[in-house]
Amino acid sequence: QQQVKQSPQSLIVQKGGISIINCAYENTAFDYFPWYQQFPGKGPALLIAIRPDVSEKKEGRFTISFNKSAKQFSLHIMDSQPGDSATYFCAASPLNRDDKIIFGKGTRLHILP
Amino acid sequence: GAGVSQTPSNKVTEKGKYVELRCDPISGHTALYWYRQSLGQGPEFLIYFQGTGAADDSGLPNDRFFAVRPEGSVSTLKIQRTERGDSAVYLCASSLTPSGTYEQYFGPGTRLTVT
Repeated sequence: QQQVKQSPQSLIVQKGGISIINCAYENTAFDYFPWYQQFPGKGPALLIAIRPDVSEKKEGRFTISFNKSAKQFSLHIMDSQPGDSATYFCAASPLNRDDKIIFGKGTRLHILP
Repeated sequence: GAGVSQTPSNKVTEKGKYVELRCDPISGHTALYWYRQSLGQGPEFLIYFQGTGAADDSGLPNDRFFAVRPEGSVSTLKIQRTERGDSAVYLCASSLTPSGTYEQYFGPGTRLTVT
């Protein structure tokens, strides 16, 4: 059973456009929702994270939107750049277990120059 | 400063052999994690150490997998009687504390291929 469902599997966006990746979860015990960025040959790196007490968090060009009632959250990348081309993973952790990260399957993002 | 390092970067072994994968965490990080990432998938949690002890090994798939961290720093993931299905990238991560606001820093991984 996949606990964190991510879509789309792959995404192509023009430079300067908005990239949107969506995730959904079932377990209401999740209370920490990070997004990771992974370049080929590298390990994932934390990009931005949110807890369910807020509906949105913004850091630079990256924004997480969180809908607790729908159990969905999304990553928006504004003014997408070729350097943003990577695989993005949404993830979730249970209450008081920020160490136990459960990853989605990932979205391969390609930004056209 | 130095990040998490993993050796070897690539390992090819024959089915049935024993392998050891090494992880050097960031100095001073007390928590250490192992994940397995299959092709086209997200990392899958295997085991987490707090200091020298395994605080959560619920992700280890079976008793062929074992990990140690004898001095609370370097960790070794050991796989006995390897199977082709064990082929994956094995990622190690460390964090300053096991939970809370400290993020996990990942190494580049060891790509294991079982032939």
